[in-house]
Amino acid sequence: KQEVTQIPAALSVPEGENLVLNCSFTDSAIYNLQWFRQDPGKGLTSLLLIQSSQREQTSGRLNASLDKSSGRSTLYIAASQPGDSATYLCAVGGGNQFYFGTGTSLTVIP
Amino acid sequence: DAGVTQSPTHLIKTRGQQVTLRCSPISGHKSVSWYQQVLGQGPQFIFQYYEKEERGRGNFPDRFSARQFPNYSSELNVNALLLGDSALYLCASSFSRDRGTYEQYFGPGTRLTVT
Repeated sequence: KQEVTQIPAALSVPEGENLVLNCSFTDSAIYNLQWFRQDPGKGLTSLLLIQSSQREQTSGRLNASLDKSSGRSTLYIAASQPGDSATYLCAVGGGNQFYFGTGTSLTVIP
Repeated sequence: DAGVTQSPTHLIKTRGQQVTLRCSPISGHKSVSWYQQVLGQGPQFIFQYYEKEERGRGNFPDRFSARQFPNYSSELNVNALLLGDSALYLCASSFSRDRGTYEQYFGPGTRLTVT
């Protein structure tokens, strides 16, 4: 069974700092990987989708990379802002479902 | 275009009761998946439906059931509610079940509280 781990569980940074969130998975036979943002008590907002054949995707201040062979993905956030404060989840696509990690809770301090 | 919609937003039920949650996918999306998210955890897969047929089932008891209608909307039913069923129930839609390319879009969720 696919296991997805996200480190760190929580992160607090001052505004303007660049930061990296990590996601690791145990089975490299994935179809894709998707990063989501979740605000407290809310649904998930899709940030980036990386196909299994791709190495990275970029959207604005966000850049996600994928290394299937090592079972790792990173989400890079440039010039963090207080509005970036949320929980970030990575989801690995395999079979008929996505397997989620438990998320990284990010707080950006003004 | 409207996103994925779910109803109701919040729900309070008593142990042993039954509940039905509803989801309308993005227009043109034929696949609907249901997830359960317990506080502090990542979402756990419950079901996937595509073209009105069940295509995947997670590790949940038979008290959980679902169906998809001809307009691709979906219902999730939970019978004999337990306290442990209290969670945020999320619905996700995607264009196809092509595993290599589909991106999932999530609704706002239904918060179920069982007392």
